[in-house]
Amino acid sequence: EPEVTQTPSHQVTQMGQEVILRCVPISNHLYFYWYRQILGQKVEFLVSFYNNEISEKSEIFDDQFSVERPDGSNFTLKIRSTKLEDSAMYFCASSETPPGTGDDEQYFGPGTRLTVT
Amino acid sequence: AQTVTQSQPEMSVQEAETVTLSCTYDTSENNYYLFWYKQPPSRQMILVIRQEAYKQQNATENRFSVNFQKAAKSFSLKISDSQLGDTAMYFCAFMKRRGSQGNLIFGKGTKLSVKP
Repeated sequence: EPEVTQTPSHQVTQMGQEVILRCVPISNHLYFYWYRQILGQKVEFLVSFYNNEISEKSEIFDDQFSVERPDGSNFTLKIRSTKLEDSAMYFCASSETPPGTGDDEQYFGPGTRLTVT
Repeated sequence: AQTVTQSQPEMSVQEAETVTLSCTYDTSENNYYLFWYKQPPSRQMILVIRQEAYKQQNATENRFSVNFQKAAKSFSLKISDSQLGDTAMYFCAFMKRRGSQGNLIFGKGTKLSVKP
């Protein structure tokens, strides 16, 4: 069964450094999402992306964050200058159809644990 | 703003028994979707069941069923004949229908342990 994959599984970086988290969505999916979960807290929506544009972003997704689909398979989340509070598990998800339609199930990847020191 | 609350951080159940996980939510929307996601240890989140708010009938998927009480804004998950493989974190989630771009709003999760 097709799965969303994410690399790396764990990334350690120093404060102020740039990180890129990578995701490979399911191949026929067109809608992509990033979520994060700070340890002990809720999973929080960051951004949704379709047709090479951001569809919606949360308050968390400030100018330090960006997303890109650099080729036909990858979907990346970049954090320009990491802060200690960016330490979290980051989940990528994808869906085949638009949100709010019958087949819009979001399939999640296993996550990347980002540790900022 | 919408919020989702799961008041049971941890629960346990004996194998083959039934367990109910609670979820309440707050919204001013009339049309929306509710979901239960399961995250087994060290594995990805998968969708267990979904409910469309405009449907009065409670959703069921094999051993999983929901009790959707729209007026009370309650959405509990019942797992019947619990199996060891049901051990996981369970997240309740909300998504508005109108104007949604896929923004799922999650609760904090309930850690369910199924004991042999």
